[in-house]
Parts: sequence; C-alpha cells; structure tokens
Amino acid sequence: SAVISQKPSRDICQRGTSLTIQCQVDSQVTMMFWYRQQPGQSLTLIATANQGSEATYESGFVIDKFPISRPNLTFSTLTVSNMSPEDSSIYLCSARDRGTINYGYTFGSGTRLTVV
Amino acid sequence: GQSLEQPSEVTAVEGAIVQINCTYQTSGFYGLSWYQQHDGGAPTFLSYNALDGLEETGRFSSFLSRSDSYGYLLLQELQMKDSASYFCAVRAHNTDKLIFGTGTRLQVFP
Repeated sequence: SAVISQKPSRDICQRGTSLTIQCQVDSQVTMMFWYRQQPGQSLTLIATANQGSEATYESGFVIDKFPISRPNLTFSTLTVSNMSPEDSSIYLCSARDRGTINYGYTFGSGTRLTVV
Repeated sequence: GQSLEQPSEVTAVEGAIVQINCTYQTSGFYGLSWYQQHDGGAPTFLSYNALDGLEETGRFSSFLSRSDSYGYLLLQELQMKDSASYFCAVRAHNTDKLIFGTGTRLQVFP
C-alpha cells in the first residue's frame, strides 16, 4: 500500500506567522486530501488537492487561510497562514490507495501544530 | 450533506466482544469504511462494505444495512492493543472525499 511521509511532525509557532506542511507519497495519486483534527475529535476535511488545478475547499475553509499546492502527482503542501491559537490542531494529509481493491485511504503521520 | 453518528465511548474487558455502531444520513455514498486511530497516530484502514451484509477480516467484522442507514464494527477477542479511537467513514458519490463519523473511543481493560 502507499506510504505518505508528512513533515514537520510537530511545531510551535508564533501567532501571525505561517507554517507549510509537506506530504510526499511514494506512488502517484490523483487526489490528495487535507484534514484537521482537534485532540479527541473527529477528522474534518479542509480541502481536496488535484494536480494541475486549484484545490477545492470545504465549507468554512478558505484559500487565503489554507493555501494548497499540488505541483505533481506525488506531492502536496498545506500552508496555515496568519496563525492564531485557534489554529492549534493536528493536520493530516491523505490519499486514496488505488493499489488495493478495498478502497482504503492512507494517511500521513500528522503535524501537531501549537500556536502561541 | 453527510453526517455519521457514533457513540462517543465504549469500554470492554480483554477477550470480550464489542460492537461500535454508526448511523448515517447521507445523500449517497459508495460504501462504508472503518478506521482505527491510536493516540498520537494516523488513522489506519480496517474494513470496507460496498454492499449490505457482513465483511469479516480476522478478529474484526463490519456490517452495513443501507435500508436502515446503519452499520457497525464488531471486534472479537478484544486485546489491550485494541484500545483506540474508531471512525466510520463514507466516500461520497461523485467525489473521492472521505467523510468521517464522530468517532468512538474504545477502552479495553484487563
């Protein structure tokens, strides 16, 4: 199955700054997804990243706050811009693993962000 | 839109059987999946039901009934390492987006 390398694993950032999270997949995938997860809560989809087109954002998330890049079929970045303490969360990237017949999705190990 | 509801917490003892339910309201989806997430870890895929009925994978089984808008994950012969959060999820029609349920925290006691 596909393996996704995500970095950084954690960071502590000052409010007002930006952080870029990177995800590298070891195989080509059409779509990548970015999620946010508050501790003890479920995963909330931020956006879907397609190669060669703008990302599609879910309700409540905007491109100015969470710009996404998808330069090729194995890589994507999510930037958390102009951070505030409310952005403290775990951010995860994901891709559908087409190498399996059971439609499982693979996730990166997550980025634990603390904004102070 | 989609909403998937799960009990927030379930407790059980080692060796027991536990069922985690998922009730959903969705306009259409391809199938129901289940994911396990240990504290500090990433979600990992457990099972997928494309059709109604029971799917068995070792100690874990998953069930789907579209007519009842309901599914469950059954964990047998519980082990301490099964203590984790479990999420049901659907892949919505016409997209590849995976939408997660509210999640159930399972605690297994000796």
